Amino acid sequence: DAGVTQSPTHLIKTRGQQVTLRCSPKSGHDTVSWYQQALGQGPQFIFQYYEEEERQRGNFPDRFSGHQFPNYSSELNVNALLLGDSALYLCASSTGAEGQYFGPGTRLLVL
Amino acid sequence: AQKVTQAQTEISVVEKEDVTLDCVYETRDTTYYLFWYKQPPSGELVFLIRRNSFDEQNEISGRYSWNFQKSTSSFNFTITASQVVDSAVYFCALRNYGGSQGNLIFGKGTKLSVKP
Repeated sequence: DAGVTQSPTHLIKTRGQQVTLRCSPKSGHDTVSWYQQALGQGPQFIFQYYEEEERQRGNFPDRFSGHQFPNYSSELNVNALLLGDSALYLCASSTGAEGQYFGPGTRLLVL
Repeated sequence: AQKVTQAQTEISVVEKEDVTLDCVYETRDTTYYLFWYKQPPSGELVFLIRRNSFDEQNEISGRYSWNFQKSTSSFNFTITASQVVDSAVYFCALRNYGGSQGNLIFGKGTKLSVKP
């Protein structure tokens, strides 16, 4: 049973560029959440998708957007990248009242 | 407002020592979930335990045990007879109960180093 997978594993971009990160949930999970983890900090909630809709959003600007596909996979898009967007981006999947299971993350470096 | 505080930034122990990681939380909700996750250097967060606010029973799983005390808003995690493989960053997290599941509120984490 495959767990949560994310791609790519690492990414380097320059300021002002746009980036798309991808996540495939654990089999049987229908909800995907995205988190940003800066170095030395705990993960911060970005948003959550369920039934292809954004269901809840954290305190992140509109430059951060997402999408969920009919197969429950999800994308996180970040426009107009800033140096401060450099972080580990974690995807978590869940269903019902179960706990969230996290993927290995994508490490984004913005130069 | 919801908040999770892990006051210990880093802890270093020698193998076979017992170690307790502290977690204090704040929430106005009467029902909620509490979690512990382990993050090894690879980066993936590994789920360790979930407790709901109704159940204050302490839990033991092998060398791991958790002490939930609602009166002090604490959910501490003890590793007995620590091993080098326990070296990681440990996060405590809080989530609202029910509804859309809500998001996890994480503490800043405690980095545990277990030396041989």
